[in-house]
Amino acid sequence: QVQLVESGGGVVQPGTSLRLSCVASGFTFNNYGMHWVRQAPGKGLEWVAGIWYDGNDQYYGDSVRGRFTISRDNSKNTIFLHMNSLRAEDTAVYYCARDAVDCSGSTCHLDRFDSWGQGTLVTVSS
Amino acid sequence: DIQMTQSPSSLSASVGDRVTITCRASQTIATYLSWYQQKPGKAPKLLIYAASSLQSGVPSRFSGSGSGTDFTLTISSLQPEDFATYYCQQSYTSHFTFGPGTKVDIK
Repeated sequence: QVQLVESGGGVVQPGTSLRLSCVASGFTFNNYGMHWVRQAPGKGLEWVAGIWYDGNDQYYGDSVRGRFTISRDNSKNTIFLHMNSLRAEDTAVYYCARDAVDCSGSTCHLDRFDSWGQGTLVTVSS
Repeated sequence: DIQMTQSPSSLSASVGDRVTITCRASQTIATYLSWYQQKPGKAPKLLIYAASSLQSGVPSRFSGSGSGTDFTLTISSLQPEDFATYYCQQSYTSHFTFGPGTKVDIK
């Protein structure tokens, strides 16, 4: 079955950088777009970034655009989130999520999140 | 970006009740609307996509409707395992946004 395992979270100081990873298994990774979604403590869900199945297009939420970069390595079934200039408000559980649309078919677009990892906690604090 | 609102923000209900949650978009999103359920300490779970399509494995007591800017999620007969927070999410643009959530708890 689909499995997504995030890693790389931790406690970091404001202004520093961190890289999150998400290793996927149980499906043909290079057929699917992928996303990062975060949830601050006690708050709702916030979509952070998405990437096409082939890595050729990336999209970002307004609060992270210019600071975060999503990428993927299809040879390793892994996506990454490179986070720079971290702020206290970036403190959250970061989830990796698979897009539901199989791009091996006739249509391809980013749409919804049908499988999720367990999340990794990032705490930005001095 | 498209803003999503939900009402109510919370509700109390009993097992067996019919529950309806509303989601509204700040502009038309056709039927590019999904619903998720999240329990404390767990990742969200996809329930409904394309406004009214039931995700595989989700009980038929969950249903969705709507198009344009106004959408609803209905639980026809609330079960003990349905007490959770529910979020809507639009995918009309590739800058996805979620609603603020509706917490359903036990009356």
